[in-house]
Amino acid sequence: EAQVTQNPRYLITVTGKKLTVTCSQNMNHEYMSWYRQDPGLGLRQIYYSMNVEVTDKGDVPEGYKVSRKEKRNFPLILESPSPNQTSLYFCASSFTSGDGELFFGEGSRLTVL
Amino acid sequence: QKEVEQDPGPLSVPEGAIVSLNCTYSNSAFQYFMWYRQYSRKGPELLMYTYSSGNKEDGRFTAQVDKSSKYISLFIRDSQPSDSATYLCAMKKGSNYQLIWGAGTKLIIKP
Repeated sequence: EAQVTQNPRYLITVTGKKLTVTCSQNMNHEYMSWYRQDPGLGLRQIYYSMNVEVTDKGDVPEGYKVSRKEKRNFPLILESPSPNQTSLYFCASSFTSGDGELFFGEGSRLTVL
Repeated sequence: QKEVEQDPGPLSVPEGAIVSLNCTYSNSAFQYFMWYRQYSRKGPELLMYTYSSGNKEDGRFTAQVDKSSKYISLFIRDSQPSDSATYLCAMKKGSNYQLIWGAGTKLIIKP
């Protein structure tokens, strides 16, 4: 089954404790992206990757890191989480950025205390 | 001012009604327009994809783009309770640009 898999789905952590949200896709997509979704603000892009070893900042990259060492994986790293990073996070992928259809994971709800 | 404006709702209508969901935008360079549907506790999924102005129909769904007014709409005919979801509009300037998203409209179809 074609899918984008994120883990963990739910996480409660404390300020400053490093965490990683994993994302994996099995569709051989070149393009991958991370979004956060907050009430009233919609989806905001954090980082995206056009291909392996190619990443770029989105609209709200502060406090986040990413890496793309393999085509299928695109982890999101919060080195020192803060309460303002409490949000619902989505990983998405598509064949290329020119293809408008993004396939989304089911989301990771993160709470930073 | 946001580049894409979308009323967050909620919009509550009875089953069988025609639903109209809308987005306005400010950047005349947008060429690709999309509607995504997001069920509770799920990721968004693509519903409709249109390029430039005009209408596109897919079953009970019709997407409409009016570039002169910078206005896009999604119509749902014979609405069903299973259509209850948040509907997000998204658009981009060209094939190598990133999507710009509306905030989403929560739609509730009452049986």
